[in-house]
Amino acid sequence: GENVEQHPSTLSVQEGDSAVIKCTYSDSASNYFPWYKQELGKRPQLIIDIRSNVGEKKDQRIAVTLNKTAKHFSLHITETQPEDSAVYFCAATLGGYSTLTFGKGTMLLVSP
Amino acid sequence: DGGITQSPKYLFRKEGQNVTLSCEQNLNHDAMYWYRQDPGQGLRLIYYSQIVNDFQKGDIAEGYSVSREKKESFPLTVTSAQKNPTAFYLCASSYVLGGDQPQHFGDGTRLSIL
Repeated sequence: GENVEQHPSTLSVQEGDSAVIKCTYSDSASNYFPWYKQELGKRPQLIIDIRSNVGEKKDQRIAVTLNKTAKHFSLHITETQPEDSAVYFCAATLGGYSTLTFGKGTMLLVSP
Repeated sequence: DGGITQSPKYLFRKEGQNVTLSCEQNLNHDAMYWYRQDPGQGLRLIYYSQIVNDFQKGDIAEGYSVSREKKESFPLTVTSAQKNPTAFYLCASSYVLGGDQPQHFGDGTRLSIL
């Protein structure tokens, strides 16, 4: 069925390193791809999103890239800091639905 | 942001009991959503509502019910038919229903079985 695959499930990096999380989706008609950050016990918060007419979007240390041909999009965090430690979720619209389908999440741990 | 309020923060359910989770928003959003979050499972959609007096089943609606009598409110009832209700429940809203609409989340309700 239609789904969003997210990898890796866990990612450990040293402070100052870069982190990359990748998601693949199954529906070529998908047109909106948000990323959410969820700190332990808190609400998911939208950190960046991209639409299908754009290949890349940046916001300070965070960037998202989209490859529509390969049907994957990635979150890039540069100069990671301990406060970046959280679970990150990608999402996409699938199968013509008007709701989002979420990946299973990536737990990012940034060690000082 | 304080635009979506969920209550209570923690809830305990006895065997055979129905419980209701509250979700209120003051963002003037038309669309509202309920998700269930289990460890390692991401967010799974239970129900969603496009507008007052309208709601649709999501991927895992069995054992749950909702109502949308007011624009601001979208309560979720976990019925006794839901045999595995222990989870973190998140309510969200967006300006309108659409797969290209950013969703804003509440702080969640953690439900456990007594």
